Amino acid sequence: GQNIDQPTEMTATEGAIVQINCTYQTSGFNGLFWYQQHAGEAPTFLSYNVLDGLEEKGRFSSFLSRSKGYSYLLLKELQMKDSASYLCAVCDSNYQLIWGAGTKLIIKP
Amino acid sequence: GAVVSQHPSWVICKSGTSVKIECRSLDFQATTMFWYRQFPKQSLMLMATSNEGSKATYEQGVEKDKFLINHASLTLSTLTVTSAHPEDSSFYICSARPTSGTGCEQYFGPGTRLTVT
Repeated sequence: GQNIDQPTEMTATEGAIVQINCTYQTSGFNGLFWYQQHAGEAPTFLSYNVLDGLEEKGRFSSFLSRSKGYSYLLLKELQMKDSASYLCAVCDSNYQLIWGAGTKLIIKP
Repeated sequence: GAVVSQHPSWVICKSGTSVKIECRSLDFQATTMFWYRQFPKQSLMLMATSNEGSKATYEQGVEKDKFLINHASLTLSTLTVTSAHPEDSSFYICSARPTSGTGCEQYFGPGTRLTVT
């Protein structure tokens, strides 16, 4: 079966760094996405990794290891507005997005 | 670019009535659109995949006769919740896959909050 695992909830302090992990087992792989979702809103695109390595985009970075079925989203210089759910999704061989349950990130001052 | 709109953004209806939600890709063509449902504090659940000019593909457990999907053009898909009941109250989100894209990317609409009384 297809499976995406990520922690249910994480807490971090404003100004700090947090890493949200995602492991996956899917039928085929055509890339991994990270989305941010604030409560009551639709997901917004953060990053897309299809090759191994680190992609940096401002305060957010995303890493992929295809051999390990592993990715992480790294958030630096945390701000209160970063409090949200972070969704990991893998594009499978049918170009369908398989979604993780999301990680709720709580930022404390 | 890559903007997707949904209408209405929220709707309240009485039990037993039907509600239509529209999803439009404003600046690109989308052969495929997706409909998701999200209950409070839960993750996105794919309901169905909508393909322009053909029948939608429904996920297991989703009643196709209750959730009618029409994808009549490359920029518009509609979801009709028929004979709505309070348990259908949820956040409905559509996404659109650009016809000319890589095949994986999806752009999300802002969502429609449905409340059935």
